[in-house]
Amino acid sequence: GAVVSQHPSWVICKSGTSVKIECRSLDFQATTMFWYRQFPKQSLMLMATSNEGSKATYEQGVEKDKFLINHASLTLSTLTVTSAHPEDSSFYICSANGLRGNTEAFFGQGTRLTVV
Amino acid sequence: AQTVTQSQPEMSVQEAETVTLSCTYDTSESDYYLFWYKQPPSRQMILVIRQEAYKQQNATENRFSVNFQKAAKSFSLKISDSQLGDAAMYFCAYRNGRYYGGATNKLIFGTGTLLAVQP
Repeated sequence: GAVVSQHPSWVICKSGTSVKIECRSLDFQATTMFWYRQFPKQSLMLMATSNEGSKATYEQGVEKDKFLINHASLTLSTLTVTSAHPEDSSFYICSANGLRGNTEAFFGQGTRLTVV
Repeated sequence: AQTVTQSQPEMSVQEAETVTLSCTYDTSESDYYLFWYKQPPSRQMILVIRQEAYKQQNATENRFSVNFQKAAKSFSLKISDSQLGDAAMYFCAYRNGRYYGGATNKLIFGTGTLLAVQP
């Protein structure tokens, strides 16, 4: 199956700094990618939909100025957590849909963010 | 809006036995897909099985099968001959079938069922 690579797998940063997480589709083009946040033992919460060449669509309650999403190419989307605070510590996962008509979503391995 | 409900936060099964995880959903769409994803301790999401709503036949993948009841909007997962490696969080998910692009094709997840397998 298709591969989605997410980097880094884990990151520790200081409060007030920004952290960038990358999501790459390695062997297919992804016009749409999704960013999720997951708290321990809870479900995946969709944060935003990343659209290649256009602005991301954010879910209700997600601060777009806090979580910057850029989808500059058909194989790369980035999520930047700006001015991170301890409450931003979480597990972030990206997924990508395949070409039109492909029903399966492919997931990255996730990023564990810890803000100290 | 579509919703997915998993009413079993935790389940336990003996090794080699069979277990069924429940999932119900709500939608007004006629064309959609349903999925079961497994999330082991590594937290990598793994597709277990998928079902196209237009197909009447229940999907099967080796030891995994579903009972898809479209009228009842029910989509349960049966795991046969359970193995220790099946222990994980299982998520039921829904996706619209018609391709409109963008957020309209997002996955909608249930709250998950944590499955423990006892040796």
